[in-house]
Amino acid sequence: NAGVMQNPRHLVRRRGQEARLRCSPMKGHSHVYWYRQLPEEGLKFMVYLQKENIIDESGMPKERFSAEFPKEGPSILRIQQVVRGDSAAYFCASSPSGGQGQPQHFGDGTRLSIL
Amino acid sequence: GQQLNQSPQSMFIQEGEDVSMNCTSSSIFNTWLWYKQDPGEGPVLLIALYKAGELTSNGRLTAQFGITRKDSFLNISASIPSDVGIYFCAGQSKANSKLTFGKGITLSVRP
Repeated sequence: NAGVMQNPRHLVRRRGQEARLRCSPMKGHSHVYWYRQLPEEGLKFMVYLQKENIIDESGMPKERFSAEFPKEGPSILRIQQVVRGDSAAYFCASSPSGGQGQPQHFGDGTRLSIL
Repeated sequence: GQQLNQSPQSMFIQEGEDVSMNCTSSSIFNTWLWYKQDPGEGPVLLIALYKAGELTSNGRLTAQFGITRKDSFLNISASIPSDVGIYFCAGQSKANSKLTFGKGITLSVRP
């Protein structure tokens, strides 16, 4: 069974460019979560999505960040006009459904570096 | 916002020793989870706890969900070199599905 797949593993962008991070959940999982991790910090929740729906975006910055999980294809986290402070590891997790009793399983992340 | 406290930041033990890690919160959580992260990889789920007072084991790992629902501990017995890594606790409240993580404890095991 394939786990949560994230790509690319490493992404380098110049300030002002766009970054697109992709996440394919585990087979049978329809709920996706995005988290951001700064060096020597824990993961911070960004957004929770089901197919074609954003359930909770309380952790998303108000500007430049967006996320989608279309009916077909992977979930995408998009960062427009990137700045140095966006440099971090971005992790995606998935679960079969939401709520209690549904542990989230993580991918290996995308490490975003902004020049 | 909710915060989970893990300390110390680093622990150093001898191979074969047991080690215990604690995680505390100012808020109640309904689910506690423990993850391990190796360099360059994502967190891997070790143990999930769903009921206050629950004690669960996974091989050499044992974790407990505190009675107050504001804390949890993880115990590793007879440590081995591959136990090296960063151990995160995470809490999930009844109100939503997002996880709140501690800052992690870096474990080093001396052979």
